[in-house]
Amino acid sequence: LAKTTQPISMDSYEGQEVNITCSHNNIATNDYITWYQQFPSQGPRFIIQGYKTKVTNEVASLFIPADRKSSTLSLPRVSLSDTAVYYCLVGYNTNAGKSTFGDGTTLTVKP
Amino acid sequence: NAGVTQTPKFQVLKTGQSMTLQCAQDMNHEYMSWYRQDPGMGLRLIHYSVGAGITDQGEVPNGYNVSRSTTEDFPLRLLSAAPSQTSVYFCASSYSAPRGSGSYEQYFGPGTRLTVT
Repeated sequence: LAKTTQPISMDSYEGQEVNITCSHNNIATNDYITWYQQFPSQGPRFIIQGYKTKVTNEVASLFIPADRKSSTLSLPRVSLSDTAVYYCLVGYNTNAGKSTFGDGTTLTVKP
Repeated sequence: NAGVTQTPKFQVLKTGQSMTLQCAQDMNHEYMSWYRQDPGMGLRLIHYSVGAGITDQGEVPNGYNVSRSTTEDFPLRLLSAAPSQTSVYFCASSYSAPRGSGSYEQYFGPGTRLTVT
């Protein structure tokens, strides 16, 4: 299973763009990269998933370099409601049950 | 669609007691998992199932049993509760995606907060 490393915490201000990087040096060929968001007292919620290059949806973008040993979650113009813990997971669909969460990155957005 | 439901929301047990945490999903997902989350920590996988009748261990399986008799339900049993099992327990489910698609977004339940005294 690919181990991931993320910063423990980050601070930002409303309206800024936030980039959270995840390292996954032993990612396997078939592995996808998935990011989840968790608010206090709630279960994690899927944000975005990708395999290579760039993926964008209505809430975030995911940038993956050619070597795939890292990935960056980009949140445009954050608001106070984006304060949460963000987790990066690496795994393949047939091993979905074996995906492991690290300790995540606690993002605090200030007014 | 109710999604993933868990019961109870809160539970207090005494050391040595046993109980079952219930998890159900109505999305016809093949994959289901149980995680525990200790304060200030990430989620750790306890057990998982890739379909009815098939279960396997995750990172921290000791002290827990699971079974999967139907696609919808995946109960977690604590055999003899210990204070070290005080945690928040999350159940999750995901699709059985076509091989190679990589799509296995997990849907999480609201969690069960368990305290063992």
